[in-house]
Amino acid sequence: DSGVTQTPKHLITATGQRVTLRCSPRSGDLSVYWYQQSLDQGLQFLIQYYNGEERAKGNILERFSAQQFPDLHSELNLSSLELGDSALYFCASSVGLVGADTQYFGPGTRLTVL
Amino acid sequence: GQQVMQIPQYQHVQEGEDFTTYCNSSTTLSNIQWYKQRPGGHPVFLIQLVKSGEVKKQKRLTFQFGEAKKNSSLHITATQTTDVGTYFCAGRHSGGSNYKLTFGKGTLLTVNP
Repeated sequence: DSGVTQTPKHLITATGQRVTLRCSPRSGDLSVYWYQQSLDQGLQFLIQYYNGEERAKGNILERFSAQQFPDLHSELNLSSLELGDSALYFCASSVGLVGADTQYFGPGTRLTVL
Repeated sequence: GQQVMQIPQYQHVQEGEDFTTYCNSSTTLSNIQWYKQRPGGHPVFLIQLVKSGEVKKQKRLTFQFGEAKKNSSLHITATQTTDVGTYFCAGRHSGGSNYKLTFGKGTLLTVNP
């Protein structure tokens, strides 16, 4: 158990819908990262927050957004869902912002868009 | 954009055989990390390499960071069925925004008992 929690574990929804994925980082970790993992694209970095502020952006679509709240939990919002958004979404957390940070991954949320 | 290439994509071995996966970046990395993801699981941190030419060992696993800090390898000696999973390297590129890790696509290792 990494100490990172993600809810829900599974999510099944229809195209065009909007969903919210939730992540609670390890106690003491200030950075939260979101990743999308699909079979053909591997592990794709989406976005990073540090202590409530966005710090780095990866291949995140405009239909996706995220935020980190004062209690440090984070939410990833996916809207106007398409079939291709079906994937495993991981949240990870680390202590600090840069450098030699180890990332601890949560168990993931499996999103299926029908 | 900055990429980390990882090969091979798949590797199937007989139990007891050795296994190696390689990562390569076109630009210098400030550090590289290795993660293992078991089937149905999440990536788990294995190790981090920071220094040029660094070699680290964890039991049967040997990790190397190239002299130019552009490539890395993970070697497993005498594989066991518990080694099954996908091994990812993840590099942090030097310069500019140093915040994010770029993951390789991973090498899926299967071991035949």
